[in-house]
Amino acid sequence: DSGVTQTPKHLITATGQRVTLRCSPRSGDLSVYWYQQSLDQGLQFLIQYYNGEERAKGNILERFSAQQFPDLHSELNLSSLELGDSALYFCASSVGWATDNEQFFGPGTRLTVL
Amino acid sequence: GENVEQHPSTLSVQEGDSAVIKCTYSDSASNYFPWYKQELGKGPQLIIDIRSNVGEKKDQRIAVTLNKTAKHFSLHITETQPEDSAVYFCAASIRGDDMRFGAGTRLTVKP
Repeated sequence: DSGVTQTPKHLITATGQRVTLRCSPRSGDLSVYWYQQSLDQGLQFLIQYYNGEERAKGNILERFSAQQFPDLHSELNLSSLELGDSALYFCASSVGWATDNEQFFGPGTRLTVL
Repeated sequence: GENVEQHPSTLSVQEGDSAVIKCTYSDSASNYFPWYKQELGKGPQLIIDIRSNVGEKKDQRIAVTLNKTAKHFSLHITETQPEDSAVYFCAASIRGDDMRFGAGTRLTVKP
């Protein structure tokens, strides 16, 4: 158990809808990272927050947004969903802001868009 | 941006044999190279990492080598065990920049 929790575990929704994925980092970790894992694109970095502020952006679509709250949990919002958004979404956390801090991954949320 | 290629995509070995997975990266500024193990139904887990100022690092049965000139790094697992069966990902990043992952290697260790 990495200490990172993600909810929900599974999510099934329809095209055009909006969903929110939630992540609670390990106790003491200030950074939260979001990743998308799909069969055709592999594991891709989406976005990082550090202590409430956006720290780095990867291949995140404009239809996706995220935030980190004062209690350090984070939410990833996916809107106008398309079939191609079906994937595993992982959250990871680390103590510091640099990506060479060890990242601890959560169990993931499996999103299915029908 | 950084591009990471990983080979092979699948690898099958007999228990007790060694396994080697290789990755190449494109950006010479990359300076952090972690390796992750992902078991079925779980998130990736860091198993070893190496920074650009080190050529080799070992942790029990696992070792990683880095060749900065050739821009490639490799994961070596010795005395493989069935519990080593998983998908392994390499990654590269420039400190403070986003991590780029290889496509993954599915390792199967046959008892």
